[in-house]
Amino acid sequence: EPEVTQTPSHQVTQMGQEVILRCVPISNHLYFYWYRQILGQKVEFLVSFYNNEISEKSEIFDDQFSVERPDGSNFTLKIRSTKLEDSAMYFCASRDRGLETQYFGPGTRLLVL
Amino acid sequence: GQQLNQSPQSMFIQEGEDVSMNCTSSSIFNTWLWYKQDPGEGPVLLIALYKAGELTSNGRLTAQFGITRKDSFLNISASIPSDVGIYFCAGQLRNSGNTPLVFGKGTRLSVIA
Repeated sequence: EPEVTQTPSHQVTQMGQEVILRCVPISNHLYFYWYRQILGQKVEFLVSFYNNEISEKSEIFDDQFSVERPDGSNFTLKIRSTKLEDSAMYFCASRDRGLETQYFGPGTRLLVL
Repeated sequence: GQQLNQSPQSMFIQEGEDVSMNCTSSSIFNTWLWYKQDPGEGPVLLIALYKAGELTSNGRLTAQFGITRKDSFLNISASIPSDVGIYFCAGQLRNSGNTPLVFGKGTRLSVIA
């Protein structure tokens, strides 16, 4: 069964460093999302992406965040200058046209020291 | 932002018992989804509901989309140890565009063998 994949599974970085989280959505999906989950809390929306542009973004998704679809398969989330409070699980999700069901990847656990 | 009130927050049950959890909101949702999350993993879709009043089953799981479109419940019958995890409801406010999911805070289920 097709699935969303994410790399790396874990990332440890120093405060102020840039990180890039990578996702490969399900191959025929057209809508892409990033969510995050701080330890012990609920999943929160960051940004949605369709047709090579951002569709919606939350107030969490400030100028330090950016997304890109550099080729036909990858979807990346970049944090330019990480802060301690960026430590969380980051989930990528994708969905097909016409169906509202979003499928989630296994997540990247980001720890900012 | 929009809030989904999910209850109960946690449950401890004996193996073989039935479980019920629900989500409510003051807003009308067009789609309700139920996910299960194991520790350190991404949310896995259990059931998707698209129409008010819809009742859908997936094995021992049954979920319903409330008539008012402001609530949904998930039932698990005859629980087994592998049902342990956190169950999240997620709703979508509208079906147009790249609408993000709003998540509840989760119900942590523990099953005692």
